[in-house]
Amino acid sequence: EADIYQTPRYLVIGTGKKITLECSQTMGHDKMYWYQQDPGMELHLIHYSYGVNSTEKGDLSSESTVSRIRTEHFPLTLESARPSHTSQYLCASSESGSPPNYGYTFGSGTRLTVV
Amino acid sequence: DAKTTQPTSMDCAEGRAANLPCNHSTISGNEYVYWYRQIHSQGPQYIIHGLKNNETNEMASLIITEDRKSSTLILPHATLRDTAVYYCIVRVESTGSGSARQLTFGSGTQLTVLP
Repeated sequence: EADIYQTPRYLVIGTGKKITLECSQTMGHDKMYWYQQDPGMELHLIHYSYGVNSTEKGDLSSESTVSRIRTEHFPLTLESARPSHTSQYLCASSESGSPPNYGYTFGSGTRLTVV
Repeated sequence: DAKTTQPTSMDCAEGRAANLPCNHSTISGNEYVYWYRQIHSQGPQYIIHGLKNNETNEMASLIITEDRKSSTLILPHATLRDTAVYYCIVRVESTGSGSARQLTFGSGTQLTVLP
């Protein structure tokens, strides 16, 4: 039973459209993350947050933006989608303990295709 | 965070133990060893982590050498559903509040469990 939810699961959208990928978790985790993964390739961190109103860019440069207005919600937005944004986007969260007892919990991902 | 080296792929017979090695020769004293796995098209799943003692949970065992330069993840009775990419990650845990320590995923080991 998933405690972190991503919607939509699949999205096909035209170039130039604005899109928001949703990520919500019900575990009360302070820390949340967005990873990007192309098929058969490594995961790359693009954004993370350690609490409400706190966001940072990750290791991989991304044209997307994120917000963290509520603890449980960490949406990712692309203002103008391009074919180069086609990828799988994975959201994760972790508790604040050091180290977190159960590691990161990942969502099922959003597979985005921009045509 | 220390770099890890894993074999690209491994096979294992169903019902046998799967032993996945990981080298982390540059690991420092405060870095933990984490293992995750990613079944095709899904988000990564946390398996286990440890600092210097061997660890066991309902999913797997983690054996860390005394010098901590390598570790082995053991799946005691592999099933077909254990076929996945397995990631070994080492990282420092944050000690201060408000800092997010993100995971950096490498290429991992593709484990294929054969019937």
